[in-house]
Amino acid sequence: DTEVTQTPKHLVMGMTNKKSLKCEQHMGHRAMYWYKQKAKKPPELMFVYSYEKLSINESVPSRFSPECPNSSLLNLHLHALQPEDSALYLCASSQVDMGFSYNEQFFGPGTRLTVL
Amino acid sequence: KQEVTQIPAALSVPEGENLVLNCSFTDSAIYNLQWFRQDPGKGLTSLLLIQSSQREQTSGRLNASLDKSSGRSTLYIAASQPGDSATYLCAVRRSGTASKLTFGTGTRLQVTL
Repeated sequence: DTEVTQTPKHLVMGMTNKKSLKCEQHMGHRAMYWYKQKAKKPPELMFVYSYEKLSINESVPSRFSPECPNSSLLNLHLHALQPEDSALYLCASSQVDMGFSYNEQFFGPGTRLTVL
Repeated sequence: KQEVTQIPAALSVPEGENLVLNCSFTDSAIYNLQWFRQDPGKGLTSLLLIQSSQREQTSGRLNASLDKSSGRSTLYIAASQPGDSATYLCAVRRSGTASKLTFGTGTRLQVTL
């Protein structure tokens, strides 16, 4: 099973709302990622979790708050977003070898977020 | 800083043609390179992963080559089909311990009937 699942598929929220995006994988991968993708652009890395610990934060505004409750789940908590945060949010996962070597990344279908 | 460029940005070919997509990167010290396909509004599907020690990888009608010294990779698609229409992205990893991928700008492919 090489599937990464994401919920919800679509989300519309106001600037004062609090919402969460969810990502799940059952491939035993120990690295999980959040990306943001604007139209006609490549994905931009936001966060990386390795062994459930945050290893990379690409200077993402604090209105985005990631959480990794266990090795299979990754959440992205959203609060006080701006209209320019509207985008496709992608989750990915990959194996991590004992030598901390990262392997092929597998992506989920994404959540289409619209901020009004 | 690694920069990854894909040429052409868009390509339209008739069904049945063989085609080549190009990916160039400025820093040849890479660990591996991954090719993805993305349908409009969807996630990325991993097509092929080439390790820096490899010259090429094949999967079905797809063949990816890597020339690390010249900073280039190509994705060859044989006997193209309308279902191959999508955006194709290449991405490089700087080292084995680097979790970050640097993505190219993408090539939007349309295969016409």
